[in-house]
Amino acid sequence: AQSVTQLGSHVSVSEGALVLLRCNYSSSVPPYLFWYVQYPNQGLQLLLKYTSAATLVKGINGFEAEFKKSETSFHLTKPSAHMSDAAEYFCAVSGTGSARQLTFGSGTQLTVLP
Amino acid sequence: EPEVTQTPSHQVTQMGQEVILRCVPISNHLYFYWYRQILGQKVEFLVSFYNNEISEKSEIFDDQFSVERPDGSNFTLKIRSTKLEDSAMYFCASNGQIQETQYFGPGTRLLVL
Repeated sequence: AQSVTQLGSHVSVSEGALVLLRCNYSSSVPPYLFWYVQYPNQGLQLLLKYTSAATLVKGINGFEAEFKKSETSFHLTKPSAHMSDAAEYFCAVSGTGSARQLTFGSGTQLTVLP
Repeated sequence: EPEVTQTPSHQVTQMGQEVILRCVPISNHLYFYWYRQILGQKVEFLVSFYNNEISEKSEIFDDQFSVERPDGSNFTLKIRSTKLEDSAMYFCASNGQIQETQYFGPGTRLLVL
């Protein structure tokens, strides 16, 4: 069984400040981990994914995430927030076998303040 | 850039009515998925589909739900007799190989009255 916990349903940062969105996972098998972003009235867009290669994963729009097995975490960061980063962010986990459905966290709404 | 499309974008129906949600996955993809997101809640997996059959399904996907790939392009989710609690955003996703990224459509917002 797999699960994802996202700490903080709402995060506000000032433009130019560090973005840190937290994700912890639970998985009985080595996981694949994902961050998706959802802009208003749009579908889910992949930001980045971890698939057991490098533990520091770089994604689109300047985001990156680090897989820490000892902490069962996959936090998303961006050094400098931009107004266009305002959206909802979802962390997700999947297995690595034949069943690859995604299990999502509850999401974090990011607000960027001018 | 290829994308997953879904129709309709919004649907309002009466409780007990049948609805069919339609998806056109990316053309060379082989694996198809339906997820749903009840307002204010998590995105939840419903079902995955490969080689013209269901490969995995969640406990949500009961006998009221069915999926079909009626032709070479469409992938549909049917709810036979809708309930109030079926009101949600329904997302279709697809990927070419099972280990690849799942690409999501924009969703269909279903409201059951």
